[in-house]
Amino acid sequence: GENVEQHPSTLSVQEGDSAVIKCTYSDSASNYFPWYKQELGKGPQLIIDIRSNVGEKKDQRIAVTLNKTAKHFSLHITETQPEDSAVYFCAASELGDMRFGAGTRLTVKP
Amino acid sequence: DTGVSQDPRHKITKRGQNVTFRCDPISEHNRLYWYRQTLGQGPEFLTYFQNEAQLEKSRLLSDRFSAERPKGSFSTLEIQRTEQGDSAMYLCASTLGGDYGYTFGSGTRLTVV
Repeated sequence: GENVEQHPSTLSVQEGDSAVIKCTYSDSASNYFPWYKQELGKGPQLIIDIRSNVGEKKDQRIAVTLNKTAKHFSLHITETQPEDSAVYFCAASELGDMRFGAGTRLTVKP
Repeated sequence: DTGVSQDPRHKITKRGQNVTFRCDPISEHNRLYWYRQTLGQGPEFLTYFQNEAQLEKSRLLSDRFSAERPKGSFSTLEIQRTEQGDSAMYLCASTLGGDYGYTFGSGTRLTVV
């Protein structure tokens, strides 16, 4: 089955700096790669996703890149703000069978 | 329909008791998933339904766990003879299916004492 590894487990940045979170996956059949943000006491919320036929996708301050050959994908957050502080999860999926990384706790210091 | 609803939000139970959780997905979503999440970990897949059919169960899902989605709408997850190791957040998610993002509920936090 799919195995997703995520790094780093914790990340602390100064407000306004960029943050990068990286994930690798094992199943070359995976073709859908979402990212979720989870705040305390809430369920994960989808923030951006990318499909295997696309190399990069951007939505305002958030971007995701995918390297299918190397089987890794990354989340980039620019101009970080304190409200970006949360736990971020990557996931990989084939036909809806989704597996998650262990999460990255991002702290943005004001 | 404002999203995925889970009930209860919190459940404290004594070891050995049975508990049941409910999930109401987004109405037009035909796929429904159950995940378990422990502190500092990502969600771990338990089982999923396509309409009323349970299509896959994780090896994490011991015989004490059972899930149903009788009419293809809401789902229940029952844990029999709870153990302390069952303490976790139980998350439900729904999706249209295929490669679409999940919409998660806020979860049910189970504490077994």
